[in-house]
Amino acid sequence: GAGVSQSPSNKVTEKGKDVELRCDPISGHTALYWYRQRLGQGLEFLIYFQGNSAPDKSGLPSDRFSAERTGESVSTLTIQRTQQEDSAVYLCASTLWGTEAFFGQGTRLTVV
Amino acid sequence: DQQVKQNSPSLSVQEGRISILNCDYTNSMFDYFLWYKKYPAEGPTFLISISSIKDKNEDGRFTVFLNKSAKHLSLHIVPSQPGDSAVYFCAAGSNTDKLIFGTGTRLQVFP
Repeated sequence: GAGVSQSPSNKVTEKGKDVELRCDPISGHTALYWYRQRLGQGLEFLIYFQGNSAPDKSGLPSDRFSAERTGESVSTLTIQRTQQEDSAVYLCASTLWGTEAFFGQGTRLTVV
Repeated sequence: DQQVKQNSPSLSVQEGRISILNCDYTNSMFDYFLWYKKYPAEGPTFLISISSIKDKNEDGRFTVFLNKSAKHLSLHIVPSQPGDSAVYFCAAGSNTDKLIFGTGTRLQVFP
């Protein structure tokens, strides 16, 4: 596709369940980011993949959060044993090295 | 440690006037800077960028100014329009590390 695609667009889950969020980056983009935005807050960095380098996981809030990316393609963000404070919009962005990042529409996660 | 800061959480401007959004950074290794605009329920969209070798970049109603000595950049929107009402994020990056975003400034343009 022409842009960054995220799925699902909305997810409601029960507290304690695991969720998996998907991001399809723009073809050829070497870098991929995950951010989240809680209600009324700014963009919170989660994780950054750049080519074959080890990912920068410094933003992951706890060990319940993990992400994978195979090569320069799809990435999945997994949240285990979800908590209500995990409710947020999860945004994915991809970029070529040293240029602007393009964002997807986000996945709105609600933990009830 | 917040490397990119937007100290004004909100700004209200009358239609037709100039909107000035500010951003400060601490890392002198940043070599490009960007502004993004975000409407509710949408992902941020890229607006304008500037390289560290320049001090100004203009695109239509949008101009970004960079003051490297002060580690400060600003986005000027003139004339402001109601459709400009959104949250604006500044971001900074280098060729060796990830983009860092500020916390955003909510701009409201009123008639």
